[in-house]
Amino acid sequence: AQTVTQSQPEMSVQEAETVTLSCTYDTSESDYYLFWYKQPPSRQMILVIRQEAYKQQNATENRFSVNFQKAAKSFSLKISDSQLGDAAMYFCAYRSLIKYGNKLVFGAGTILRVKS
Amino acid sequence: EAQVTQNPRYLITVTGKKLTVTCSQNMNHEYMSWYRQDPGLGLRQIYYSMNVEVTDKGDVPEGYKVSRKEKRNFPLILESPSPNQTSLYFCASSLTGHTEAFFGQGTRLTVV
Repeated sequence: AQTVTQSQPEMSVQEAETVTLSCTYDTSESDYYLFWYKQPPSRQMILVIRQEAYKQQNATENRFSVNFQKAAKSFSLKISDSQLGDAAMYFCAYRSLIKYGNKLVFGAGTILRVKS
Repeated sequence: EAQVTQNPRYLITVTGKKLTVTCSQNMNHEYMSWYRQDPGLGLRQIYYSMNVEVTDKGDVPEGYKVSRKEKRNFPLILESPSPNQTSLYFCASSLTGHTEAFFGQGTRLTVV
């Protein structure tokens, strides 16, 4: 079964600085998606960025970018120019492209605190 | 506006009293699922549905039921809630089983 590990329960960053959140996963599959979701205090789950495993190019969305290392099974999220509104819980998630049911497998989450 | 709507957002109930959490999506998505979120565990899938009348168990299905009679609706039923079902619940939908999921606002359930 696939597993997703986020080894940083909490991270802090100064406003306007850059922070990187770590995520590793375990799978024997070659085709899958990886996602980062943001959960602010409102509890809403918001998609931040997604990466298709067959694409070598790292995905970027404005201030958010990923470092996808397929061989190492690593998928870190970099937030540049951090803003107070970035403070939230961040979840890394894996989705198989092969298995029936195709559930999202989530990590335990990383709480990001942004200091002004 | 494209969205997934869950109700209620907060619910406190007593052990054994049947309850239903509703979920509706307006995006014509085929795939819908329910997750529960617990501290330190992330989100875990309870049940999912690939289409109307097609449902199957996820990782933590015990104590829950679902139905998918219409494409847009996917209610979660707790026939006899117990305190260990106190959790934050999310309904999610996606166009297919491969694409990103859109989540409802969450339902905070407390069973006393």
